[in-house]
Amino acid sequence: NAGVTQTPKFRVLKTGQSMTLLCAQDMNHEYMYWYRQDPGMGLRLIHYSVGEGTTAKGEVPDGYNVSRLKKQNFLLGLESAAPSQTSVYFCASSTDRDQPQHFGDGTRLSIL
Amino acid sequence: AQKITQTQPGMFVQEKEAVTLDCTYDTSDPSYGLFWYKQPSSGEMIFLIYQGSYDQQNATEGRYSLNFQKARKSANLVISASQLGDSAMYFCAMREDQTGANNLFFGTGTRLTVIP
Repeated sequence: NAGVTQTPKFRVLKTGQSMTLLCAQDMNHEYMYWYRQDPGMGLRLIHYSVGEGTTAKGEVPDGYNVSRLKKQNFLLGLESAAPSQTSVYFCASSTDRDQPQHFGDGTRLSIL
Repeated sequence: AQKITQTQPGMFVQEKEAVTLDCTYDTSDPSYGLFWYKQPSSGEMIFLIYQGSYDQQNATEGRYSLNFQKARKSANLVISASQLGDSAMYFCAMREDQTGANNLFFGTGTRLTVIP
């Protein structure tokens, strides 16, 4: 049971570089989410998707873009990384918005 | 204003004892859901329990129960018979339905340490 898989698990970037975080789920969930977790704070929603081909902004969307071309995949892009984006990123999915979200193991991203 | 407030940065509990982790929330939405998640030191987020705003009874899942007091806007997590494996961060979260968004607002968490 893979559940929600995030790649990569760790990454170090230089300021201004770009990268894409991949989230894949094998549970046929409609809803997918990207969060960031910073020290001393709870998770904050970056972007989410309610189905293939749809995306929407969450609480802290600036500096990020997302795509949901396939139902099972949700990509998070950083076009020009900034040190303020150093964080742990979590992907989650759920069958519906009132159902529990299942989380991946996180991606630790450091931007120098 | 904070949507979710967890006022206990850290808690200690003796093994086999019960512990209550506090959570208060702020919403004007009549329909909402409340969640508790556990985050062990390994980092993953594990769903524990869910309470809907219209649910008449407090939610229970094994050793976990949610003490839902709607008028006080509190949703405390009670862990009975604590085990060493319960040592972790615990996050309370809320989803508001009326806004139409799917935001899940998290609190800052409570670090629980179970003492043998």
